[in-house]
Amino acid sequence: RKEVEQDPGPFNVPEGATVAFNCTYSNSASQSFFWYRQDCRKEPKLLMSVYSSGNEDGRFTAQLNRASQYISLLIRDSKLSDSATYLCVVRIQGAQKLVFGQGTRLTINP
Amino acid sequence: EADIYQTPRYLVIGTGKKITLECSQTMGHDKMYWYQQDPGMELHLIHYSYGVNSTEKGDLSSESTVSRIRTEHFPLTLESARPSHTSQYLCASSRGDNQPQHFGDGTRLSIL
Repeated sequence: RKEVEQDPGPFNVPEGATVAFNCTYSNSASQSFFWYRQDCRKEPKLLMSVYSSGNEDGRFTAQLNRASQYISLLIRDSKLSDSATYLCVVRIQGAQKLVFGQGTRLTINP
Repeated sequence: EADIYQTPRYLVIGTGKKITLECSQTMGHDKMYWYQQDPGMELHLIHYSYGVNSTEKGDLSSESTVSRIRTEHFPLTLESARPSHTSQYLCASSRGDNQPQHFGDGTRLSIL
């Protein structure tokens, strides 16, 4: 079983829609959580960190559910520019590295 | 924007050549990483470093080697390039274990 699993998609949604996707992690000792976005043929860029109490940044909301071992990302009022691959990233306690999910591809259609 | 730089951005070179991919960061980060990523595929960690004179192999076996003589510099070397090395190589750095990683623009490597 992979340490971090994401639905690869692709998700195709109309502009203005709300879209949400989850990411599950296998190690209950996971400590830090992030969402990155990666545009085609570009480097990953940090979208937001995920805090235990949940956090919001504009149209983006991230939540952590430790009991069920998943994190989620919600995008409201989606824009064409939101089209990208969204990477779920987890750090396991004691590990010196982050574990990246395979990414969920999102396409926002006009 | 994070201050981490990779050169070259693109490299097309013949089989058997020795290649060094450069990565530098000006943020004073101790942790640095190299990832390999094929188009449309996930990131694979190939090397990382906790600090000067520290290097570790990542999750994906790689014929490349790295060095960390200075904090800001983490070059990756392929002694004899082969077509199977064709990929994108991404360098990243972070301030600490719980901190996010910041990525360079990547090097697209094509071995003919």
